[in-house]
Amino acid sequence: AQSVTQPDIHITVSEGASLELRCNYSYGATPYLFWYVQSPGQGLQLLLKYFSGDTLVQGIKGFEAEFKRSQSSFNLRKPSVHWSDAAEYFCAVGGGGGADGLTFGKGTHLIIQP
Amino acid sequence: KAGVTQTPRYLIKTRGQQVTLSCSPISGHRSVSWYQQTPGQGLQFLFEYFSETQRNKGNFPGRFSGRQFSNSRSEMNVSTLELGDSALYLCASSLEGENGYTFGSGTRLTVV
Repeated sequence: AQSVTQPDIHITVSEGASLELRCNYSYGATPYLFWYVQSPGQGLQLLLKYFSGDTLVQGIKGFEAEFKRSQSSFNLRKPSVHWSDAAEYFCAVGGGGGADGLTFGKGTHLIIQP
Repeated sequence: KAGVTQTPRYLIKTRGQQVTLSCSPISGHRSVSWYQQTPGQGLQFLFEYFSETQRNKGNFPGRFSGRQFSNSRSEMNVSTLELGDSALYLCASSLEGENGYTFGSGTRLTVV
């Protein structure tokens, strides 16, 4: 069965500092990996996705993620966070094609200190 | 182009009642999937429809059902509501082959 682990429930970062959110996955085949962000009371917004090819993926809002097959990881990074980045971040894995649905991690709550 | 539209945004129902939620996908998207989000269980996959056929279903009781119409709009129904069904229900649409999912803003269901 597929699974996603986000080890950090909460992370506090100072504005302007760098950020890395961890994500480890378990999937039997080639994974399709996603990072989503959710603001309070809102739906999920796709930050970036990895299907194949270059293991470093660029997304929106200055985020990037690196796929490391040997470590089963897909960590999200941003060189300098802004107060507006405060939100809940979810990593997800799927088999592609839509039929299998996505399996989400429990999420990481990002707090930005002024 | 318009995003994924879910209606209503908020809903309050009484235990034992049933509820129907609606989702209009992005134009051209034929795949629609549904997720339940609760503080305790997080985001869980309910089911996925493509061209009016359910292709996969998550681990939820039979009280949860859905359907998709010829215009790709989808509805999900929950019968005999329980307090534990209180959640944010999210719908996502996908363009087959693109393997990306766009989510709506969700329907917040409260069961009292």
